[in-house]
Amino acid sequence: GAGVSQSPSNKVTEKGKDVELRCDPISGHTALYWYRQSLGQGLEFLIYFQGNSAPDKSGLPSDRFSAERTGGSVSTLTIQRTQQEDSAVYLCASSFGGGKETQYFGPGTRLLVL
Amino acid sequence: SQKIEQNSEALNIQEGKTATLTCNYTNYSPAYLQWYRQDPGRGPVFLLLIRENEKEKRKERLKVTFDTTLKQSLFHITASQPADSATYLCALDGSNSGYSTLTFGKGTMLLVSP
Repeated sequence: GAGVSQSPSNKVTEKGKDVELRCDPISGHTALYWYRQSLGQGLEFLIYFQGNSAPDKSGLPSDRFSAERTGGSVSTLTIQRTQQEDSAVYLCASSFGGGKETQYFGPGTRLLVL
Repeated sequence: SQKIEQNSEALNIQEGKTATLTCNYTNYSPAYLQWYRQDPGRGPVFLLLIRENEKEKRKERLKVTFDTTLKQSLFHITASQPADSATYLCALDGSNSGYSTLTFGKGTMLLVSP
């Protein structure tokens, strides 16, 4: 089937606004991950879902960041009161069963906070 | 603290030559190491996984070595082609948990000229 999809592909927002980023994982994949990639930086782990629960939220940079997953499928990453340092590419990945499975990445959402 | 180092300078080689990329790590005891390819504007794509008890892994023109004593992995592309030009990321799983919390290096850009 289709790969991991993310929307929007690009988002420009003003400082202080809230944004929602969406991820549609590969059908049947139980594990879902969010990463952030800033210019010139590596991929930064944000949060991991197994089904609808998030056993590891350790990478979320502040309480302005939250994520949820419903129906064991779609996930939404929400950033409240955006700051300029939130500008980055937000990548979502999914894997079949978690554990040591290969992760499949989406194309990312490019967020620019003015 | 845990650290993954990849050469930040781009590697320029001529078509047909072998490209060798390096990934060094400190303060990790990874169960396995993965290599991904990332093209501009796209998410990373999984290439190869090598486990701690494996010295070498091959896939077509790709070869990965893993030296847990030196804490180093080498990624080779033989008979390189311009289409191999991309950024290559190494990723480690240092987690003892049942899921994979990959930590990525910043990547090395490979440029293969005709």
